[in-house]
Amino acid sequence: DVKVTQSSRYLVKRTGEKVFLECVQDMDHENMFWYRQDPGLGLRLIYFSYDVKMKEKGDIPEGYSVSREKKERFSLILESASTNQTSMYLCASSGQARYGYTFGSGTRLTVV
Amino acid sequence: AQSVAQPEDQVNVAEGNPLTVKCTYSVSGNPYLFWYVQYPNRGLQFLLKYITGDNLVKGSYGFEAEFNKSQTSFHLKKPSALVSDSALYFCAVRDNTGNQFYFGTGTSLTVIP
Repeated sequence: DVKVTQSSRYLVKRTGEKVFLECVQDMDHENMFWYRQDPGLGLRLIYFSYDVKMKEKGDIPEGYSVSREKKERFSLILESASTNQTSMYLCASSGQARYGYTFGSGTRLTVV
Repeated sequence: AQSVAQPEDQVNVAEGNPLTVKCTYSVSGNPYLFWYVQYPNRGLQFLLKYITGDNLVKGSYGFEAEFNKSQTSFHLKKPSALVSDSALYFCAVRDNTGNQFYFGTGTSLTVIP
């Protein structure tokens, strides 16, 4: 069964901490994505990557960075966590356009 | 520009009744259309997709969706709703040249026993 695995389901961090959210896929997909999901706002794209060591800003990249050193792993980094980054974070990967995204189970991050 | 609209934030339906969750889209080129479902505190799960061919597509858990090119719609339907269908539903579109999806804001479906 193909999978996208997010390292943590729930995470509590303090304001100002550097936070790493990890995502690993086993489908050899080129494309990987990070979204945040907030009530009433749907899914908002933070960053995406079409290849190793390549990254593109999405709609809301401020306060975030990403790393893709290996094809299967796409990390989201909160350089200095703030309370307004409390959210559900969803990682997804995809292959060709005719196929859909495969999502991870999500990480619910709370910044206190 | 690509976009997806889900005009209803909330849909309530009685158990056993048919349900419809609406979606309209705007995309350049031929659309690839998808429906996803999300249960509380979980990621999104694939339900069904339209790529080409028959306008009525069938998916998981008895759901189906009808692609209507003239109305640029892709409404999700089920003939008889179950309480376990209560969840958040997302419509998404991807054009056939790009890698990125565009999601609607989601529709919360509640099936009342």
